[in-house]
Amino acid sequence: SQQGEEDPQALSIQEGENATMNCSYKTSINNLQWYRQNSGRGLVHLILIRSNEREKHSGRLRVTLDTSKKSSSLLITASRAADTASYFCATQGAGSYQLTFGKGTKLSVIP
Amino acid sequence: KAGVTQTPRYLIKTRGQQVTLSCSPISGHRSVSWYQQTPGQGLQFLFEYFSETQRNKGNFPGRFSGRQFSNSRSEMNVSTLELGDSALYLCASSATDSPYEQYFGPGTRLTVT
Repeated sequence: SQQGEEDPQALSIQEGENATMNCSYKTSINNLQWYRQNSGRGLVHLILIRSNEREKHSGRLRVTLDTSKKSSSLLITASRAADTASYFCATQGAGSYQLTFGKGTKLSVIP
Repeated sequence: KAGVTQTPRYLIKTRGQQVTLSCSPISGHRSVSWYQQTPGQGLQFLFEYFSETQRNKGNFPGRFSGRQFSNSRSEMNVSTLELGDSALYLCASSATDSPYEQYFGPGTRLTVT
């Protein structure tokens, strides 16, 4: 079953702009992860943030986590055409390695 | 290190048939998980294997089964295929010292006609 929702479902921006995607989840978690998927291919792991962390950076990516609101956001700065993909958040509970995914945000970056 | 590999990449089967999909994890990884991705249901967890034992199972009917071999390679089997089994099947592996980070293969696209 789906853990929650990503918002927005689709996002279209110009190259160079920032893209922000949000994710909500329902149950307590050990960590939350973000993945990228290009056009029906495999998932690429982007970043993992643990439940006791509030913010994490990796290159042009910034992830925040608010466990009180059960929500997370992914910010991609200075977007590139190559960032065009679907982005999924996924959660793992304590003691479980099963990933529970959201529905994803489809990002289009226009050159 | 080579990534997770899945074979075959594409498969077309007829309703009622059975199918076996294969996954080779990253060298040294002992955990393998399987996920089904469809437009309607999204990404859903099927099962997870560790050291040849099923450690966790998702909410799928018994037609879906899997196994893991001593070299950590895994197979999943779907019997009596239904049209709704058409999906992208993704395999992921993880290392024992960082079990929460999963590395996905390119997937097997199964079409049931």
